[in-house]
Amino acid sequence: DVKVTQSSRYLVKRTGEKVFLECVQDMDHENMFWYRQDPGLGLRLIYFSYDVKMKEKGDIPEGYSVSREKKERFSLILESASTNQTSMYLCASRGGGRWTDTQYFGPGTRLTVL
Amino acid sequence: AQSVTQLDSQVPVFEEAPVELRCNYSSSVSVYLFWYVQYPNQGLQLLLKYLSGSTLVKGINGFEAEFNKSQTSFHLRKPSVHISDTAEYFCAVSGTGNQFYFGTGTSLTVIP
Repeated sequence: DVKVTQSSRYLVKRTGEKVFLECVQDMDHENMFWYRQDPGLGLRLIYFSYDVKMKEKGDIPEGYSVSREKKERFSLILESASTNQTSMYLCASRGGGRWTDTQYFGPGTRLTVL
Repeated sequence: AQSVTQLDSQVPVFEEAPVELRCNYSSSVSVYLFWYVQYPNQGLQLLLKYLSGSTLVKGINGFEAEFNKSQTSFHLRKPSVHISDTAEYFCAVSGTGNQFYFGTGTSLTVIP
């Protein structure tokens, strides 16, 4: 089974702090994704990566950056956290190169910014 | 861009009753449709997907969905729900090009 793990289930940070969210997958998948999940808004794509050191902006990249130095690891960075970034963050990976291929999700990190 | 609409944000249903979760998508020449489920405190997992072929798609845990091109719908159904089906359900769409969009989700609560 594909396993996608996220470094923290719950995280509390203060406004202005730099925040790192880590995601690791164990299936040698090429593609990895960061989504944000908010009530009434569903999942929105922040960034994705289709290869090491490659990244593409999703629908809501503002205020975020990403890093992919190794194939299995994809990090989401909040350079200066703000209260409107309080949310659930979901990481996913996908083996195939098409959007019709199945995405596998981690359990999520619930981030609260005070 | 493609989009999906899940009209029902919450659906309560009694155990062993049938359920239908509605999903409508914006029309396009080529469209691929998905249902994902998120159990409490877990990530999403794929229930089923329609890429082509038979319009009735069977998924895991007894769920099925029917692709209806004329109605631009992809409703999810189960004839008899269990307590363990309580979860958030997301419809999603992908079209030509580099696009994948989730709906806003439907929270299904199964009442004993």
